[in-house]
Amino acid sequence: GDSVTQTEGPVTVSESESLIINCTYSATSIAYPNLFWYVRYPGEGLQLLLKVITAGQKGSSRGFEATYNKETTSFHLQKASVQESDSAVYYCALGEAGNTGKLIFGLGTTLQVQP
Amino acid sequence: EAAVTQSPRNKVAVTGGKVTLSCNQTNNHNNMYWYRQDTGHGLRLIHYSYGAGSTEKGDIPDGYKASRPSQENFSLILELATPSQTSVYFCASGGRDRATPLYFGAGTRLSVL
Repeated sequence: GDSVTQTEGPVTVSESESLIINCTYSATSIAYPNLFWYVRYPGEGLQLLLKVITAGQKGSSRGFEATYNKETTSFHLQKASVQESDSAVYYCALGEAGNTGKLIFGLGTTLQVQP
Repeated sequence: EAAVTQSPRNKVAVTGGKVTLSCNQTNNHNNMYWYRQDTGHGLRLIHYSYGAGSTEKGDIPDGYKASRPSQENFSLILELATPSQTSVYFCASGGRDRATPLYFGAGTRLSVL
């Protein structure tokens, strides 16, 4: 079945440093799955950070970027300069085939940004 | 603003007891979902629904029932709660378009003692 693998956490970086959280996927049910990054801040539910539905395209939001790479089946999340407020859990997800709207999630990566 | 609201936010239950988790959405979305999130497992789908009166089994439905009495409401029911069901539960809503993201509630932390 479909699956998502992402960087194991926790990941600790200092404020203003760069960040990359790796995400690779395996999609057997669909050739071009939609790809998403969600973020969960402490005490809150998951919220969409960015999505990309076309291979080769890049999504961006709040200074974060991710490029849909069909060749390497990757969707890594990057940010050039993190802030303490970016501390959260980040989830990579892919959308299954069909119109169920179901998402397959990675395990989540906890990011801790030190001041 | 569109929203997904879960209740209760925290629940302590006894083994063998009945637990009902409720979810309400104002997004006017057709689809709704129940996930649980555990360390080492990420989010796993329990049940989902395509609309009022519909419920479908997700990847880990055993021990859970779901009810969708209206477009807005979707409940998760644990008839006989067990300690293995201690977890954080998330409700989400989404459209039928595969590109539509899911909108999540804040979660319910359930402890079964």
